[in-house]
Amino acid sequence: DAKTTQPNSMESNEEEPVHLPCNHSTISGTDYIHWYRQLPSQGPEYVIHGLTSNVNNRMASLAIAEDRKSSTLILHRATLRDAAVYYCILRDTNAGKSTFGDGTTLTVKP
Amino acid sequence: DTGVSQNPRHKITKRGQNVTFRCDPISEHNRLYWYRQTLGQGPEFLTYFQNEAQLEKSRLLSDRFSAERPKGSFSTLEIQRTEQGDSAMYLCASSLSLPGSSEQFFGPGTRLTVL
Repeated sequence: DAKTTQPNSMESNEEEPVHLPCNHSTISGTDYIHWYRQLPSQGPEYVIHGLTSNVNNRMASLAIAEDRKSSTLILHRATLRDAAVYYCILRDTNAGKSTFGDGTTLTVKP
Repeated sequence: DTGVSQNPRHKITKRGQNVTFRCDPISEHNRLYWYRQTLGQGPEFLTYFQNEAQLEKSRLLSDRFSAERPKGSFSTLEIQRTEQGDSAMYLCASSLSLPGSSEQFFGPGTRLTVL
């Protein structure tokens, strides 16, 4: 499975944008980039995914580098409820499993 | 349908006992996954089903672990002769098998403590 690399932790102030980076230099052409987040004592929650083009949804935006070797999850205005562990995952187009790393722990300060 | 449900939410057992967990996926989802998560780590894949067929098993799934999905709906995960190292959160997820890559919906997990 292709690997992803994320910082262990990041901090943000409430109502400011947050950019969470992910490196995936060994990504293959059929790998989708997925982001999940996990709040304390809950199962992971889907955030967003993309293949080549940037993606937006109600939760976040996903910016994918032109060479696809890195991506950035953008939370436009962080709230205290966004404090969670964020996982960047590569999933093949026909994949069953997701291979999680240890993610980035986001702390949001009031 | 309110999402993926798992029962029980918590299980405390003594070493050597057998335990069984149940997962009810979102009703129209044909794929069902099991993961294990220990404190401070990301979830680790155990196995997944498409309908009734178990399509992939991780090497983490020792012969003490068995998973079934007999009618392609709910699934059970059984651990025989539990060990203290089995203490973890066991997560279930479900998804559709769409062309491209579809999102997985996770349940709240079953926390197992082996004494």
